[in-house]
Amino acid sequence: GAVVSQHPSWVICKSGTSVKIECRSLDFQATTMFWYRQFPKQSLMLMATSNEGSKATYEQGVEKDKFLINHASLTLSTLTVTSAHPEDSSFYICSARLGQINYGYTFGSGTRLTVV
Amino acid sequence: QKEVEQNSGPLSVPEGAIASLNCTYSDRGSQSFFWYRQYSGKSPELIMFIYSNGDKEDGRFTAQLNKASQYVSLLIRDSQPSDSATYLCAVNDYGQNFVFGPGTRLSVLP
Repeated sequence: GAVVSQHPSWVICKSGTSVKIECRSLDFQATTMFWYRQFPKQSLMLMATSNEGSKATYEQGVEKDKFLINHASLTLSTLTVTSAHPEDSSFYICSARLGQINYGYTFGSGTRLTVV
Repeated sequence: QKEVEQNSGPLSVPEGAIASLNCTYSDRGSQSFFWYRQYSGKSPELIMFIYSNGDKEDGRFTAQLNKASQYVSLLIRDSQPSDSATYLCAVNDYGQNFVFGPGTRLSVLP
């Protein structure tokens, strides 16, 4: 089945540093990639939608200058958390739509970010 | 604002029983409906999807859709402790709008 590989699975960084999270679609082309954030015991919150070769569309309240998204190819999308702070600590998950007809979305394995 | 609502639970059922998870949605234009399972600390995994009114069965899982009532449910037969997880309902209108519910936490007691 379609797989989205997400790395790293966890990362601990110091406050003020930047962290890059990668998502690769392994056996299909992900024209659109979605980035979610999930705080403990809360549901998934869509942060942004990225389309290959164009600028990402951010949800209201998400700082585009803080969460940089690059979708330079049909198989790779990256999320960079710039100048991370402890409140950015969360579970970040990417997801891609399966095919032209919407059979659902497949998710990456997620990245647990802890900012200390 | 399109909304998807679920009872947050926890829903506790004994092993071997039927677990019934419910979801309602606000957008009558919604076309496709999905159930995801999420274990603690893991990303969601797709269990099944349904497009048409009625029931759809896949192993121990049955999804039920009633578009007139804007209601979709997931039944888990012969519940196992390994089914203990949070179940997310998601709704899509064939566009970019894919909305998740808050999830229902299911606990299957041995």
